[in-house]
Amino acid sequence: EVQLVESGGGLVKPGGSLRLSCAASGFTFTDAWMSWVRQAPGKGLEWVGRIKSKTDGGTADFAAPVRGRFSILRDDSKSTLFLQMNSLKVEDTAVYYCTTYETHAGYSSGHWGQGTLVTVS
Amino acid sequence: DIQMTQSPSSLSASLGDRVTITCRTSQSIGNYLNWYQQKPGKAPKLLIYATSSLQSGVPSTFSGSGSGTDFTLTISSLQPEDFATYYCQQSYSTPLSFGGGTKVEIK
Repeated sequence: EVQLVESGGGLVKPGGSLRLSCAASGFTFTDAWMSWVRQAPGKGLEWVGRIKSKTDGGTADFAAPVRGRFSILRDDSKSTLFLQMNSLKVEDTAVYYCTTYETHAGYSSGHWGQGTLVTVS
Repeated sequence: DIQMTQSPSSLSASLGDRVTITCRTSQSIGNYLNWYQQKPGKAPKLLIYATSSLQSGVPSTFSGSGSGTDFTLTISSLQPEDFATYYCQQSYSTPLSFGGGTKVEIK
């Protein structure tokens, strides 16, 4: 069974940094493309970014609001995905979800974690 | 970047009703359109990928159609567990983008 467990959320001041983690299990993480999606309180879903597998280049792409401030990292030896968030703004307050990025299913987010709340205030 | 227009933003329906939600994209995306269901306090769940492919375990009362810029999610007979918020998503090009959501409520 695929499991994604996020951690690392919390309260941070504007301008600060935070690193989220996503522990993955139940699939071959090394081969997986992964993504982050966020949801501000009471709002809709917003795609944050995606990282390819190292085999496919390991590069990451980001949404405009976070480009240059956020980075996505992966530790394949520990099946763990990270979201490094720098220069945080109040508008980055949201629940952050780690998802699989299904290259064989229309690049959809097939599996989601439970989310971790980041509050910038 | 590709813009998404999802409608309606909310609707009220009764058990057994047929419900249709539409999603329009600002440019052609082929069939790279996905649908998600989200219940309060829970993570979203993938329902349909690539316009019309049903994710494993999703009831056949859900179906998707469309191509190019216009897409539809249909629930053929609304069940109690279907009351939720639904989102479309284009996965044709990065940055990926979501529609604004459609909240399906009980009439």
